[in-house]
Parts: sequence; structure tokens; C-alpha cells
Amino acid sequence: DVKVTQSSRYLVKRTGEKVFLECVQDMDHENMFWYRQDPGLGLRLIYFSYDVKMKEKGDIPEGYSVSREKKERFSLILESASTNQTSMYLCASSRAGFRNEQFFGPGTRLTVL
Amino acid sequence: GNSVTQMEGPVTLSEEAFLTINCTYTATGYPSLFWYVQYPGEGLQLLLKATKADDKGSNKGFEATYRKETTSFHLEKGSVQVSDSAVYFCAQEGAQKLVFGQGTRLTINP
Repeated sequence: DVKVTQSSRYLVKRTGEKVFLECVQDMDHENMFWYRQDPGLGLRLIYFSYDVKMKEKGDIPEGYSVSREKKERFSLILESASTNQTSMYLCASSRAGFRNEQFFGPGTRLTVL
Repeated sequence: GNSVTQMEGPVTLSEEAFLTINCTYTATGYPSLFWYVQYPGEGLQLLLKATKADDKGSNKGFEATYRKETTSFHLEKGSVQVSDSAVYFCAQEGAQKLVFGQGTRLTINP
């Protein structure tokens, strides 16, 4: 069974902390994505990666960075967490090319106090 | 830029009712179109897709037809069940990325 896993389902952090969200996929997919999901706004793309060590900014990259040192792992980093980064974070992966399904992890609900 | 607009939610129906969730898109060219579903406490999963004009995607009793002339991809189901309660997202593809609509929360009452 194909799987995308995220390191935590729930996370509570303090303003100013450095936060790491980890995502691992076991499907040997080339593409990986980080989204945040907010009510009324749907999913918005933060960063994506087409290959190891490659990264591209999505629609809302400010305040975030990413790392992809291995094909199966894609990390989202909040350098200095702020309260407006309280959200649900979803990781996804897909094969390279067009018209391919994205497979999603269960999400991490992050609260920044 | 490319965008997707879904009908406002939440939507509440009785079991066995007919369902339509509207979705329209703006794009250059002819993107592939998708419906994803998110059940409570889970990530999104693909429900159906269509890759060219007049294609019909179908799965689990749900259907959607790619209408180029109206730039629409409305989701329909003839008889909904309580287990269909979820959030539904319409999306279009561009450069291997997805652009999502805002989501429509559907609740089915027995």
C-alpha cells in the first residue's frame, strides 16, 4: 500500500521557535510538495521539489524553507515560527510528468502560541 | 493566473439526495482537472480526474465531465450516503503542480 507519512499529527510550538516538519514517501516518487490548508482558502502550495536537492517556491514561500537531501524525504522548516503560521500542513508526492495523481499524507496540525 | 472556484459550502443533504458541487476554472490552455476528497482526520485522496475536453471521470458513484466551453468540472452523484460526508476539492494541473479550489464541506444526514 502506497504511503506518505508525516512526522507528527499535532504539534504545539512557541513564537520564535525553529520548527521542522518531516515527510517521507515510499513510492520512489520524484515530485514532493508542501501545502498549508486553511478554512475558506483551500490548499496553498508553499514549496515543491522535482528531484533531490532541487526546490522551487510555490505561492506562499515567505517564512518557510525546505530541504530534500534524499529522494524519499522532504522537510519543511519554519525558521522562526509566528502565530500566523498556525495551520494544517499537508505533504504530497507524485511521479514525474503530467496528469499524475498526488498522494497526500495525513497532515500535521501546527499551533504556534 | 490559473485559478479554481468552487461553490460555497457547507452543503447539507439528506441521504439518497442528488448532489452537485460546482467547479469552474481559469487557465491558459487545457489543464487536467481533478476532484480530491478529504475524509475527517485524513489527508486528501484522488476521487476522479479528466485530462481532456469532454472526458468524464467517475469513481464510487461520483462523476464529473470536463466542459471546455463553460470551463467547468462539476461533481455529481445521484444518491449520496452518510459515508460521503467529507470536504471536496476541485483542482487543475499546471506544470506538474495543482491549483486547488477552496473546498466544499459536505454533510449527509441519515
